[in-house]
Amino acid sequence: GAVVSQHPSRVICKSGTSVKIECRSLDFQATTMFWYRQFPKQSLMLMATSNEGSKATYEQGVEKDKFLINHASLTLSTLTVTSAHPEDSSFYICSALRPTGGEETQYFGPGTRLLVL
Amino acid sequence: AQSVTQLGSHVSVSEGALVLLRCNYSSSVPPYLFWYVQYPNQGLQLLLKYTTGATLVKGINGFEAEFKKSETSFHLTKPSAHMSDAAEYFCAVTHSGTYKYIFGTGTRLKVLA
Repeated sequence: GAVVSQHPSRVICKSGTSVKIECRSLDFQATTMFWYRQFPKQSLMLMATSNEGSKATYEQGVEKDKFLINHASLTLSTLTVTSAHPEDSSFYICSALRPTGGEETQYFGPGTRLLVL
Repeated sequence: AQSVTQLGSHVSVSEGALVLLRCNYSSSVPPYLFWYVQYPNQGLQLLLKYTTGATLVKGINGFEAEFKKSETSFHLTKPSAHMSDAAEYFCAVTHSGTYKYIFGTGTRLKVLA
C-alpha cells in the first residue's frame, strides 16, 4: 500500500521555540495533504488542508500564524508550530490524498508526538 | 454537520471470538463511512469503506461492516478474533465533494489468549 512518513516521530522542545514536522508521501504524488492533531483519548481533529503550490486552508479555530503549513512539492508538506507552548503538546498526524482507481483515498503517516516543556 | 460516535473506548475479546466494534454517525447528507486501524507507532491503515452501492462491505484481514441507514450505524465485525487484531480502531465519516473526515474517538481492541 501507499506509504506516508513523518519526521520526527517524537520531539521535545522548550516553550517559545518553533518546531517543524515533515510529512512525505514516499511512493506517490499528493497534491493534497491534511494535518490532524489528536489529544489523549480524543478524536483526530482536522487542522488544515495543505495544497501543493497554494496556501493551506485552515479549519475554524486553528491559528494560521501559529501553525504554518508549506506544501512546496508533490511529496512534501511541512507543519511548523511557532512559539510553541505546553498547550500545543499533542499528537500530530498527516495524511496524503492518493488517486485510487477513480476514487481518492487518504493515507496516513505514523504521527509525531510533540511535548512542549 | 457530521459526527461519529464509537461506543466503548476499550473492547476485550477472547481469541477466536466474534469482534464487534460499534460506530454510529450523524449526517444530513448521504455519508461516506470508513474504518481505520492503527497499530502502535504506525499510521492509520484503511480497513474498509462505504461510499455507495452494496451496504455490506468487506475489508482486509477478514473484517466487514454493514451500513444501516435506518440505524445510522456502521459497525465493524470479524467472525474470529486473532491476536494480531489487537490495535486501535477508528470510524470516520465524510461525504461526496469533500475529503474532510470526521473521526470517532477510537476503540482499543484487546484480544485475550
